[in-house]
Amino acid sequence: AQSVTQLGSHVSVSEGALVLLRCNYSSSVPPYLFWYVQYPNQGLQLLLKYTSAATLVKGINGFEAEFKKSETSFHLTKPSAHMRDAAEYFCAVSDTRGYQKVTFGTGTKLQVIP
Amino acid sequence: NAGVTQTPKFQVLKTGQSMTLQCAQDMNHNSMYWYRQDPGMGLRLIYYSASEGTTDKGEVPNGYNVSRLNKREFSLRLESAAPSQTSVYFCASSEAEYPTNEKLFFGSGTQLSVL
Repeated sequence: AQSVTQLGSHVSVSEGALVLLRCNYSSSVPPYLFWYVQYPNQGLQLLLKYTSAATLVKGINGFEAEFKKSETSFHLTKPSAHMRDAAEYFCAVSDTRGYQKVTFGTGTKLQVIP
Repeated sequence: NAGVTQTPKFQVLKTGQSMTLQCAQDMNHNSMYWYRQDPGMGLRLIYYSASEGTTDKGEVPNGYNVSRLNKREFSLRLESAAPSQTSVYFCASSEAEYPTNEKLFFGSGTQLSVL
């Protein structure tokens, strides 16, 4: 069974500081991996996805994530946090083998301190 | 661009009452999903519909039923609401019938409280 683990339910960073949100996956076959963002009172929006092309994936709003097979990780980073980045971030995984549902992590709330 | 539209946005029910959550998408997507979001548990799949006329159970289907009315609409019904069904419900859609690497488009959610 596929799963993702997000380390840290809450992360606080100062405005302008590096953002690092951690995600580790478990999958018996090469996975597809996603990061979604949820702003208050809204649905989730796709930030970026990994589909076995380049291991460094660039997304919207300056975010990027690197797929590391040896570490089974797909951490999300942004060099400089902005106030508008305050939101909840979800890592997700799906199976490359036929139709499989997308499994979401438990989420990480990012607080940006002025 | 409406995208995925859910109604209602808020609902309060008494234990044992029934209700239907409505979802419609205007992107001609094949697949539609219902998720529930609970604190500390992320999103869990209740039911999905890979194409018009088909529905399948997800991770937490007990206490729910769904109807894929047509390609646009996918409703979620609670026949006898329980306090454990207090949650935020999200409808989502994606383009392909086999969307393992497809982007999911989400509605803005329904906040349901069961007293």
